[in-house]
Amino acid sequence: RKEVEQDPGPFNVPEGATVAFNCTYSNSASQSFFWYRQDCRKEPKLLMSVYSSGNEDGRFTAQLNRASQYISLLIRDSKLSDSATYLCVGNNDMRFGAGTRLTVKP
Amino acid sequence: DAGITQSPRHKVTETGTPVTLRCHQTENHRYMYWYRQDPGHGLRLIHYSYGVKDTDKGEVSDGYSVSRSKTEDFLLTLESATSSQTSVYFCAISDPIDVSYEQYFGPGTRLTVT
Repeated sequence: RKEVEQDPGPFNVPEGATVAFNCTYSNSASQSFFWYRQDCRKEPKLLMSVYSSGNEDGRFTAQLNRASQYISLLIRDSKLSDSATYLCVGNNDMRFGAGTRLTVKP
Repeated sequence: DAGITQSPRHKVTETGTPVTLRCHQTENHRYMYWYRQDPGHGLRLIHYSYGVKDTDKGEVSDGYSVSRSKTEDFLLTLESATSSQTSVYFCAISDPIDVSYEQYFGPGTRLTVT
């Protein structure tokens, strides 16, 4: 089993939809996790950090479920500009998931 | 945006030639990383540094070496490039605060080995 696994997608959703991705991890030593977004042919950019209690920033909510060893990212009211690949990583091992590709369509 | 630059941004080289990629930061962050990104594999850690002259291997370090002689520069060297090293290379930096290791990435170097 890979240390960090993500559903590669693609997730194709209409504008305004709510979409959620999960990222499962096997290294329980990580204390914090991060979601990055990566646009085509660009570098990853930090989207959100998530610690024990989760994190919310506008339309984005990240949750951590230690018992089941996964983190989630919820995007509400999707915008065309949310189209990107979303990567997750834990702080302990620096191993990224392969990413989940999201396309938001008009 | 974090002050991270990579050079060159694009390079085409022939199999068997040495190649050095440079990562430069102006943030004075302690940690620096080199990743490669290939379709279907996501980002994979090659080497990282936790201080000047302190480096360690990542999950795909074979065929690569690194050096860090000063805080702001982290060099990645391919001693004898192979076609399997054709990839996009990203440098990242972080500065651990408590348990946080948020990483900030450079713009990437697209390397093609023919």
